[in-house]
Amino acid sequence: DTAVSQTPKYLVTQMGNDKSIKCEQNLGHDTMYWYKQDSKKFLKIMFSYNNKELIINETVPNRFSPKSPDKAHLNLHINSLELGDSAVYFCASSPARATDTQYFGPGTRLTVL
Amino acid sequence: AQKITQTQPGMFVQEKEAVTLDCTYDTSDPSYGLFWYKQPSSGEMIFLIYQGSYDQQNATEGRYSLNFQKARKSANLVISASQLGDSAMYFCAMREGNTGGFKTIFGAGTRLFVKA
Repeated sequence: DTAVSQTPKYLVTQMGNDKSIKCEQNLGHDTMYWYKQDSKKFLKIMFSYNNKELIINETVPNRFSPKSPDKAHLNLHINSLELGDSAVYFCASSPARATDTQYFGPGTRLTVL
Repeated sequence: AQKITQTQPGMFVQEKEAVTLDCTYDTSDPSYGLFWYKQPSSGEMIFLIYQGSYDQQNATEGRYSLNFQKARKSANLVISASQLGDSAMYFCAMREGNTGGFKTIFGAGTRLFVKA
């Protein structure tokens, strides 16, 4: 009965490869997010989707493409992986209001060699 | 401009004592939410406490309380009776925006060490 789940938990891959991270939430929330946490623990939003519609797209390279097949899923596909993409990627979800709490998935640690 | 500032990269506290983690924020939006999250060494982000910009009283959740001073734009987290398991990274966050999209901005975090 995990609220926000991500797969895989760990991902090790070579530079230049394409990879995907999946996220699912069973909280019935309208909004889902992807965050990147770098090696200094700084957490920055990448994308936000509301009811399958992209509403926030920060300055992220277009090698990163989110896809939301339905309200409960938000996947992140990364093309042509680079060393600098190594980080922990967190999925989160929340209801739609500014005052609503976000709930995070367990994170996916991506290592690009 | 930095929207969320946590000035303490690291803090030490003796077990069973109280500790205050500082957070200041900057926004011109009248409606916003302030949050604290805990990230233990295992990596997950755990929601601790929330304060709305219109809330009159300071939020409390068990041993956690949020010292909200709106005029000073500060939202400090107070942990009472620290436990060894409180050793973790703590993030202050602010959620603002409008129907075009709410964005949560995180501070750089404070690493708390609880000493036995």
